[in-house]
Amino acid sequence: AQSVTQPDIHITVSEGASLELRCNYSYGATPYLFWYVQSPGQGLQLLLKYFSGDTLVQGIKGFEAEFKRSQSSFNLRKPSVHWSDAAEYFCAVGEYGGSQGNLIFGKGTKLSVKP
Amino acid sequence: DTEVTQTPKHLVMGMTNKKSLKCEQHMGHRAMYWYKQKAKKPPELMFVYSYEKLSINESVPSRFSPECPNSSLLNLHLHALQPEDSALYLCASSPLGQGAYEQYFGPGTRLTVT
Repeated sequence: AQSVTQPDIHITVSEGASLELRCNYSYGATPYLFWYVQSPGQGLQLLLKYFSGDTLVQGIKGFEAEFKRSQSSFNLRKPSVHWSDAAEYFCAVGEYGGSQGNLIFGKGTKLSVKP
Repeated sequence: DTEVTQTPKHLVMGMTNKKSLKCEQHMGHRAMYWYKQKAKKPPELMFVYSYEKLSINESVPSRFSPECPNSSLLNLHLHALQPEDSALYLCASSPLGQGAYEQYFGPGTRLTVT
């Protein structure tokens, strides 16, 4: 069965510092991979996605993620964090070739930003 | 318009009440979803509608009854809920096919069952 692991429950970074959120997946074939962000009291917003091709993908709000098949990882990065980036971040995997949108979410990483 | 709207924002109901949650999108998406999210947890898929037909029911208790009256609207009818059903209920929509994972979420309805 597919699974997603986000090892860090809570991360605090200083404003302007770089950020990396970790995500590992378990899936037999090439998965579809996603990062979603949820601000307090809000729904989820898609940051970026990986289906195939270039393993470094760019997303919205200055985020990027790199797919590393050998490490079964899809880590999210941002070179300089802004206070508005404080939120919950969810990594998710979708079944390759699936079409029903059945996403498997990780447990999430809460990002706090220090001034 | 890339917005998914949900009403109401907050709902408090007793265990004997009947209430409904509403969701609307005008992006032309033909897939719509209900998720349940407990505090500090990821969303859990409840139902998926494709072309207004129920395609996935993740073993949700019958006290939750979804309805998709047309391609823009999705309802969740609630009856005889339990306190443990208190949660944030999220609606989402997406295209079909590979794009089904690029889901647009509404802000959710915060449900409290007393």
